[in-house]
Amino acid sequence: EPEVTQTPSHQVTQMGQEVILRCVPISNHLYFYWYRQILGQKVEFLVSFYNNEISEKSEIFDDQFSVERPDGSNFTLKIRSTKLEDSAMYFCASSERGRAGQYFGPGTRLTVT
Amino acid sequence: AQTVTQSQPEMSVQEAETVTLSCTYDTSESDYYLFWYKQPPSRQMILVIRQEAYKQQNATENRFSVNFQKAAKSFSLKISDSQLGDAAMYFCAYRSAISGAQKLVFGQGTRLTINP
Repeated sequence: EPEVTQTPSHQVTQMGQEVILRCVPISNHLYFYWYRQILGQKVEFLVSFYNNEISEKSEIFDDQFSVERPDGSNFTLKIRSTKLEDSAMYFCASSERGRAGQYFGPGTRLTVT
Repeated sequence: AQTVTQSQPEMSVQEAETVTLSCTYDTSESDYYLFWYKQPPSRQMILVIRQEAYKQQNATENRFSVNFQKAAKSFSLKISDSQLGDAAMYFCAYRSAISGAQKLVFGQGTRLTINP
């Protein structure tokens, strides 16, 4: 069964550093998403991406964040200058159509020290 | 803005019994989608079941079924014949059907424990 994959599984970085989180969505899916979950809290939407552009973003997704689909398979989330409060689990998801169920990857645990 | 509320932080059930997890939501929209996701200790989010608001028939996936009450804005998940592998955090989620609106809005989650 096709799965969304994410790398790395755990990333530790120092405050102020840039990080890139990588995702490989399910191959025939057209819509891609990033969510985050701060420990003990609910899952929060960051951004959705379709047809090589952002289709929706939340207030959390400020100028420090960017997304890119650099090739036909990868989907990345970049945080330019990490803050302590960016420490969270980051989930990538994809869906076949905009209205279909979203399938999540295993997540990347980001720890900012 | 839409909100999703799960009023049961924790639930427990005996193995092989049936358990129902509650979810309510608030929206002014008439067309939308509702989902239940399972998050086991591995923390991966797994789609359990999906319901379209325009469908009156409740969705069913094997041992998982929902009770969708549109007027009451209620969307509960019933797990029959509970198994040890069902132990996880369960999240209810809402998605608007408006074109261009794709984000899932999640509830706070319910931690389900299965007692052997």
